[in-house]
Amino acid sequence: RKEVEQDPGPFNVPEGATVAFNCTYSNSASQSFFWYRQDCRKEPKLLMSVYSSGNEDGRFTAQLNRASQYISLLIRDSKLSDSATYLCVVSRSGYALNFGKGTSLLVTP
Amino acid sequence: SQTIHQWPATLVQPVGSPLSLECTVEGTSNPNLYWYRQAAGRGLQLLFYSVGIGQISSEVPQNLSASRPQDRQFILSSKKLLLSDSGFYLCAWRGSRSEQYFGPGTRLTVT
Repeated sequence: RKEVEQDPGPFNVPEGATVAFNCTYSNSASQSFFWYRQDCRKEPKLLMSVYSSGNEDGRFTAQLNRASQYISLLIRDSKLSDSATYLCVVSRSGYALNFGKGTSLLVTP
Repeated sequence: SQTIHQWPATLVQPVGSPLSLECTVEGTSNPNLYWYRQAAGRGLQLLFYSVGIGQISSEVPQNLSASRPQDRQFILSSKKLLLSDSGFYLCAWRGSRSEQYFGPGTRLTVT
């Protein structure tokens, strides 16, 4: 089983739509969780951390379910500029992170 | 604020040639530093990480090596490149909540 699994997509949605991405992880001892955004041919950039109680940053909402080892990202009112690949990231023992392969989002006019 | 630099931005090298990629971090001291590779259409693969000067941990056996000669400098090297070494090489430093921040990357094509 892969450490972090994501639906690769692509997700094609119209502007203004709400879209949700899901991610599962295998290491129940993981303590830190993140969503990153990666634009084409660019470096990944931290979008938001994910906390057990759930957290929101503007149009973005992240949820964590430790019992199910499941993480989600909800994007409301999608913008053209949200088109990117979204990476689910989970900490592992030591100093390292496990990155999912990403979910591709294309927001269309 | 912290910034991370990588160079060169792009590189085309023949098979069998040596490689040296450099990463420097500003605005933080004694950072944990990381080298990743992202092959075309693939996920991020951790290659090396370092918790301090001269301390290198290798994740995957391969023909690459890393060194940390100074606190804020991390170097990725190879004596002889293979075609399979092509990819997007990213350096990162670790923040206080275990998050990582990436440099702009070096896109390497081995021909």
